[in-house]
Amino acid sequence: GNSVTQMEGPVTLSEEAFLTINCTYTATGYPSLFWYVQYPGEGLQLLLKATKADDKGSNKGFEATYRKETTSFHLEKGSVQVSDSAVYFCALAYQGGSEKLVFGKGTKLTVNP
Amino acid sequence: DAMVIQNPRYQVTQFGKPVTLSCSQTLNHNVMYWYQQKSSQAPKLLFHYYDKDFNNEADTPDNFQSRRPNTSFCFLDIRSPGLGDAAMYLCATSPGDRVSYEQYFGPGTRLTVT
Repeated sequence: GNSVTQMEGPVTLSEEAFLTINCTYTATGYPSLFWYVQYPGEGLQLLLKATKADDKGSNKGFEATYRKETTSFHLEKGSVQVSDSAVYFCALAYQGGSEKLVFGKGTKLTVNP
Repeated sequence: DAMVIQNPRYQVTQFGKPVTLSCSQTLNHNVMYWYQQKSSQAPKLLFHYYDKDFNNEADTPDNFQSRRPNTSFCFLDIRSPGLGDAAMYLCATSPGDRVSYEQYFGPGTRLTVT
């Protein structure tokens, strides 16, 4: 079945450090891939997405590239800020399948000033 | 702005006392979802509606029910809340067009059971 494996947290960085959160997936066919961010006490917000191989999603300085050959969708940011402290979820949706998302377990990021 | 709205943001109920959480959307999306999220965990899908078609997850307890009276509104009913039902409840929507699969989430309702 479809599944998402996400880097275990928590991750603690200093401001302006480089961020990578690893995400790999297992799916038949060609899923759509997403990164969601959840700030404390709030719902999930779509951060970025990619719908086909080699697509790069980007938003607010975050990037992730859909790598079919490695079945990965790693999240990166060159210089994190304190305001990036949140929980990040990788997710997939099987195109043409049910209208459901499969989530990774989430990675908590804390950025210290 | 088009959005997903959840009311109330915080709800306190007593053990065994029925409670209803509400969700509305201005996105005109076909699909609406209810998730339960406990601390430090990923959201767990309870059920979803594709238009009026109700889809229950196999492991959703019977204690949880849902209603969707129209496109814009969806309700989560917890018939007899237990202490283990204390959680954040998230409503989400998606277009349901088999092209765009991203979901749009509301801010959540934090349920406390006393």
